[in-house]
Amino acid sequence: QITLKESGPTLVKPTQTLTLTCTFSGFSLYTSGVAVGWIRQPPGKALEWLALIYWDDDKRYSPSLKNRLTVTKDTSQNQVVLTMTNMDPVDTATYYCAHGLVPFDFWGQGTLVTVSS
Amino acid sequence: DIQMTQSPSTLSASVGDRVTITCRASQSISSWLAWYQQTPGKAPKLLIYKASTLEIGVPSRFSGSGSETEFTLTISSLQPDDFATYYCQQYNSYSWTFGQGTKVEIK
Repeated sequence: QITLKESGPTLVKPTQTLTLTCTFSGFSLYTSGVAVGWIRQPPGKALEWLALIYWDDDKRYSPSLKNRLTVTKDTSQNQVVLTMTNMDPVDTATYYCAHGLVPFDFWGQGTLVTVSS
Repeated sequence: DIQMTQSPSTLSASVGDRVTITCRASQSISSWLAWYQQTPGKAPKLLIYKASTLEIGVPSRFSGSGSETEFTLTISSLQPDDFATYYCQQYNSYSWTFGQGTKVEIK
């Protein structure tokens, strides 16, 4: 059974760096073809794809955010970490991580991050 | 970037209605398209991938079609659990993108 869970701060100040961790079980990032992605959703708005990291450490980023995003993995710990720099109130959103194969067939519950001073 | 445009943005329908949602890509994505259903406060749920392949466990009243730049999601007979927001997503290019969503409301 595949599960994913996001963790990190619920409140960050403008200009700070956000670090979110996705801890998963039921699959391995040692397995060929597997990826973990990050998606966010501002309150009442649409989904926005942020980043993707593959089993072979190939990384993909949203063009509009790539200068602010970094995604890394710790395969042995079954974790993927997303960092987003220079946070702004418009970055207030629920952040999801998801298992990517077909493409996103399993999702975490999401974590709401509020950016406010 | 590949842009994904869904229509309509909102759709009012009744239980038993046949419903169709359209998703257009700004350039060809072959069949690399997925559809998701999201209800308030929940994570999206994958319904269809590769344009027309039904995810395991998804009711057969959901179907997908299309290729290249134009795709449709059809619900053959709308059920109470189907009132939700639906998103398309392309996964053809280096970066993936979602459509802006279609909310299916009770008429």
